[in-house]
Amino acid sequence: NAGVMQNPRHLVRRRGQEARLRCSPMKGHSHVYWYRQLPEEGLKFMVYLQKENIIDESGMPKERFSAEFPKEGPSILRIQQVVRGDSAAYFCASSPYLASGDTDTQYFGPGTRLTVL
Amino acid sequence: LAKTTQPISMDSYEGQEVNITCSHNNIATNDYITWYQQFPSQGPRFIIQGYKTKVTNEVASLFIPADRKSSTLSLPRVSLSDTAVYYCLVGDRNPGFQKLVFGTGTRLLVSP
Repeated sequence: NAGVMQNPRHLVRRRGQEARLRCSPMKGHSHVYWYRQLPEEGLKFMVYLQKENIIDESGMPKERFSAEFPKEGPSILRIQQVVRGDSAAYFCASSPYLASGDTDTQYFGPGTRLTVL
Repeated sequence: LAKTTQPISMDSYEGQEVNITCSHNNIATNDYITWYQQFPSQGPRFIIQGYKTKVTNEVASLFIPADRKSSTLSLPRVSLSDTAVYYCLVGDRNPGFQKLVFGTGTRLLVSP
Protein backbone atom coordinates (compact mmCIF):
# COMPACT_ATOMS: atom_id res chain seq x y z
CA ASN A 1 0.00 0.00 0.00
CA ALA A 2 1.61 3.21 -1.14
CA GLY A 3 1.81 6.05 1.30
CA VAL A 4 0.63 9.58 0.73
CA MET A 5 1.89 10.77 -2.63
CA GLN A 6 2.60 14.33 -3.60
CA ASN A 7 3.69 15.79 -6.89
CA PRO A 8 5.62 17.48 -8.04
CA ARG A 9 8.33 17.17 -5.41
CA HIS A 10 9.91 20.41 -6.53
CA LEU A 11 8.18 23.27 -8.30
CA VAL A 12 9.70 26.51 -9.53
CA ARG A 13 7.49 29.39 -10.52
CA ARG A 14 8.05 33.01 -11.39
CA ARG A 15 6.17 35.72 -9.60
CA GLY A 16 2.63 36.02 -10.92
CA GLN A 17 2.35 32.46 -12.16
CA GLU A 18 0.08 29.79 -10.77
CA ALA A 19 1.20 26.80 -8.73
CA ARG A 20 -0.77 23.57 -8.53
CA LEU A 21 0.20 21.01 -5.92
CA ARG A 22 -1.32 17.55 -5.97
CA CYS A 23 -1.86 15.06 -3.19
CA SER A 24 -3.08 11.49 -3.39
CA PRO A 25 -4.05 10.17 0.06
CA MET A 26 -3.36 6.69 1.28
CA LYS A 27 -5.79 4.07 0.02
CA GLY A 28 -8.91 4.06 2.13
CA HIS A 29 -8.29 7.52 3.59
CA SER A 30 -11.04 10.07 3.14
CA HIS A 31 -9.55 13.00 5.05
CA VAL A 32 -6.87 15.28 3.60
CA TYR A 33 -4.95 18.06 5.31
CA TRP A 34 -2.54 20.63 3.89
CA TYR A 35 0.28 22.21 5.88
CA ARG A 36 2.94 24.75 5.01
CA GLN A 37 6.46 24.80 6.43
CA LEU A 38 8.84 27.71 6.19
CA PRO A 39 12.59 27.08 6.69
CA GLU A 40 13.55 26.32 10.30
CA GLU A 41 9.91 26.42 11.42
CA GLY A 42 7.26 23.89 12.31
CA LEU A 43 4.37 23.01 10.04
CA LYS A 44 1.39 25.35 9.95
CA PHE A 45 -2.10 24.00 9.28
CA MET A 46 -3.81 25.38 6.20
CA VAL A 47 -6.92 23.40 5.32
CA TYR A 48 -8.81 20.19 6.05
CA LEU A 49 -10.93 18.52 3.39
CA GLN A 50 -13.08 15.49 2.88
CA LYS A 51 -14.30 14.32 -0.51
CA GLU A 52 -16.02 17.29 -2.20
CA ASN A 53 -16.10 19.26 1.07
CA ILE A 54 -13.90 21.85 2.73
CA ILE A 55 -14.28 21.25 6.45
CA ASP A 56 -11.86 23.80 7.89
CA GLU A 57 -9.87 26.39 5.96
CA SER A 58 -8.99 28.60 8.91
CA GLY A 59 -5.27 28.42 8.08
CA MET A 60 -5.61 29.40 4.43
CA PRO A 61 -4.67 32.91 3.32
CA LYS A 62 -7.81 34.75 2.29
CA GLU A 63 -6.62 35.50 -1.23
CA ARG A 64 -4.88 33.55 -3.98
CA PHE A 65 -5.05 30.17 -2.18
CA SER A 66 -7.68 27.51 -2.77
CA ALA A 67 -7.99 23.79 -2.21
CA GLU A 68 -10.23 21.03 -3.43
CA PHE A 69 -10.65 17.30 -2.98
CA PRO A 70 -12.90 16.06 -5.78
CA LYS A 71 -14.88 12.86 -5.78
CA GLU A 72 -12.35 11.37 -8.15
CA GLY A 73 -8.66 12.19 -8.30
CA PRO A 74 -6.15 13.84 -6.02
CA SER A 75 -6.55 16.81 -3.76
CA ILE A 76 -5.26 20.04 -5.30
CA LEU A 77 -3.77 23.05 -3.53
CA ARG A 78 -3.78 25.97 -5.92
CA ILE A 79 -1.85 29.19 -5.47
CA GLN A 80 -2.61 31.95 -7.92
CA GLN A 81 -0.27 34.83 -8.75
CA VAL A 82 2.53 33.46 -6.59
CA VAL A 83 4.83 35.82 -4.69
CA ARG A 84 8.27 35.18 -3.20
CA GLY A 85 6.74 34.78 0.25
CA ASP A 86 4.90 31.68 -0.97
CA SER A 87 8.22 29.83 -1.23
CA ALA A 88 7.96 26.98 1.27
CA ALA A 89 7.47 23.25 1.63
CA TYR A 90 3.84 22.20 1.36
CA PHE A 91 2.89 18.94 3.01
CA CYS A 92 -0.23 16.92 2.59
CA ALA A 93 -1.45 14.42 5.18
CA SER A 94 -4.29 11.95 5.17
CA SER A 95 -6.21 9.95 7.72
CA PRO A 96 -8.97 7.37 7.55
CA TYR A 97 -12.57 7.80 8.54
CA LEU A 98 -12.72 7.26 12.27
CA ALA A 99 -15.32 5.98 14.63
CA SER A 100 -15.79 7.76 17.91
CA GLY A 101 -12.85 7.25 20.24
CA ASP A 102 -10.35 6.13 17.61
CA THR A 103 -6.94 7.72 17.41
CA ASP A 104 -6.56 10.22 14.58
CA THR A 105 -3.10 9.60 13.18
CA GLN A 106 -2.17 11.70 10.20
CA TYR A 107 0.18 10.23 7.61
CA PHE A 108 2.27 12.76 5.77
CA GLY A 109 3.52 12.84 2.22
CA PRO A 110 7.06 13.83 1.19
CA GLY A 111 6.05 17.40 0.44
CA THR A 112 6.31 19.77 -2.50
CA ARG A 113 9.01 22.39 -2.33
CA LEU A 114 7.84 25.53 -4.03
CA THR A 115 10.38 28.12 -5.07
CA VAL A 116 9.17 31.43 -6.41
CA LEU A 117 11.73 33.37 -8.41
CA LEU B 1 -4.91 24.33 22.05
CA ALA B 2 -2.30 23.76 24.73
CA LYS B 3 1.08 25.33 24.12
CA THR B 4 4.13 23.10 24.22
CA THR B 5 7.72 23.92 25.12
CA GLN B 6 10.64 21.68 24.25
CA PRO B 7 14.40 22.19 23.93
CA ILE B 8 15.56 23.65 20.66
CA SER B 9 18.33 21.11 20.20
CA MET B 10 20.01 18.10 21.78
CA ASP B 11 23.22 16.23 21.05
CA SER B 12 23.89 12.55 21.64
CA TYR B 13 26.17 9.71 20.62
CA GLU B 14 25.35 6.43 18.99
CA GLY B 15 24.13 3.79 21.40
CA GLN B 16 22.98 6.21 24.08
CA GLU B 17 19.44 6.64 25.34
CA VAL B 18 17.92 10.01 24.51
CA ASN B 19 15.13 11.61 26.53
CA ILE B 20 13.34 14.66 25.13
CA THR B 21 11.02 16.41 27.54
CA CYS B 22 8.07 18.53 26.52
CA SER B 23 6.18 20.91 28.82
CA HIS B 24 2.46 21.44 28.33
CA ASN B 25 1.21 23.15 31.48
CA ASN B 26 -2.19 24.01 30.04
CA ILE B 27 -3.08 20.54 28.80
CA ALA B 28 -6.83 19.93 28.86
CA THR B 29 -8.64 16.87 30.15
CA ASN B 30 -9.41 15.57 26.64
CA ASP B 31 -5.97 16.28 25.20
CA TYR B 32 -3.63 13.58 24.00
CA ILE B 33 0.12 13.90 23.57
CA THR B 34 1.60 12.96 20.22
CA TRP B 35 5.18 12.92 18.98
CA TYR B 36 6.27 13.20 15.36
CA GLN B 37 9.70 12.81 13.79
CA GLN B 38 10.83 14.73 10.71
CA PHE B 39 13.91 14.07 8.62
CA PRO B 40 15.27 16.74 6.28
CA SER B 41 13.25 17.06 3.09
CA GLN B 42 10.59 14.65 4.32
CA GLY B 43 7.16 14.90 5.89
CA PRO B 44 6.67 14.26 9.61
CA ARG B 45 6.26 10.67 10.71
CA PHE B 46 4.08 9.61 13.65
CA ILE B 47 6.12 8.07 16.46
CA ILE B 48 3.92 7.59 19.46
CA GLN B 49 0.82 8.88 21.24
CA GLY B 50 -0.37 8.66 24.82
CA TYR B 51 -2.76 10.00 27.41
CA LYS B 52 -1.21 9.03 30.75
CA THR B 53 1.43 6.84 32.43
CA LYS B 54 3.61 5.00 29.93
CA VAL B 55 3.25 3.94 26.33
CA THR B 56 5.81 1.83 24.49
CA ASN B 57 6.08 0.71 20.90
CA GLU B 58 8.84 -0.70 18.72
CA VAL B 59 10.36 2.74 18.19
CA ALA B 60 10.09 4.67 21.45
CA SER B 61 8.56 5.05 24.89
CA LEU B 62 6.46 7.92 26.13
CA PHE B 63 6.37 8.74 29.83
CA ILE B 64 3.57 10.94 31.15
CA PRO B 65 3.44 11.86 34.86
CA ALA B 66 0.20 11.91 36.78
CA ASP B 67 -0.33 15.66 36.42
CA ARG B 68 0.21 15.38 32.62
CA LYS B 69 1.89 18.79 32.52
CA SER B 70 4.90 17.32 30.79
CA SER B 71 5.90 14.25 28.84
CA THR B 72 9.18 12.60 27.91
CA LEU B 73 9.95 10.84 24.67
CA SER B 74 12.58 8.17 25.21
CA LEU B 75 14.61 6.80 22.32
CA PRO B 76 16.66 3.75 23.34
CA ARG B 77 20.13 3.26 21.87
CA VAL B 78 20.01 5.93 19.20
CA SER B 79 21.80 5.56 15.89
CA LEU B 80 22.97 8.12 13.35
CA SER B 81 19.71 7.68 11.48
CA ASP B 82 17.78 9.06 14.45
CA THR B 83 19.15 12.51 13.68
CA ALA B 84 15.98 14.47 13.01
CA VAL B 85 13.59 17.07 14.40
CA TYR B 86 11.15 15.78 17.00
CA TYR B 87 7.83 17.54 17.56
CA CYS B 88 5.63 17.29 20.63
CA LEU B 89 1.96 18.03 19.95
CA VAL B 90 -0.97 18.27 22.32
CA GLY B 91 -4.57 18.31 21.18
CA ASP B 92 -8.09 17.09 21.60
CA ARG B 93 -8.63 13.73 19.95
CA ASN B 94 -11.72 14.85 18.07
CA PRO B 95 -12.71 11.82 16.04
CA GLY B 96 -12.07 12.40 12.38
CA PHE B 97 -10.19 15.64 12.69
CA GLN B 98 -7.27 16.93 14.61
CA LYS B 99 -5.74 20.20 13.49
CA LEU B 100 -2.13 19.49 14.32
CA VAL B 101 -0.21 22.41 15.78
CA PHE B 102 3.53 22.07 15.38
CA GLY B 103 6.04 24.10 17.35
CA THR B 104 9.65 24.46 16.29
CA GLY B 105 10.54 21.03 17.64
CA THR B 106 13.76 19.62 19.07
CA ARG B 107 16.61 19.12 16.67
CA LEU B 108 18.45 15.93 17.71
CA LEU B 109 21.95 15.37 16.41
CA VAL B 110 23.45 11.92 16.90
CA SER B 111 27.20 11.67 16.42
CA PRO B 112 29.44 8.62 16.01
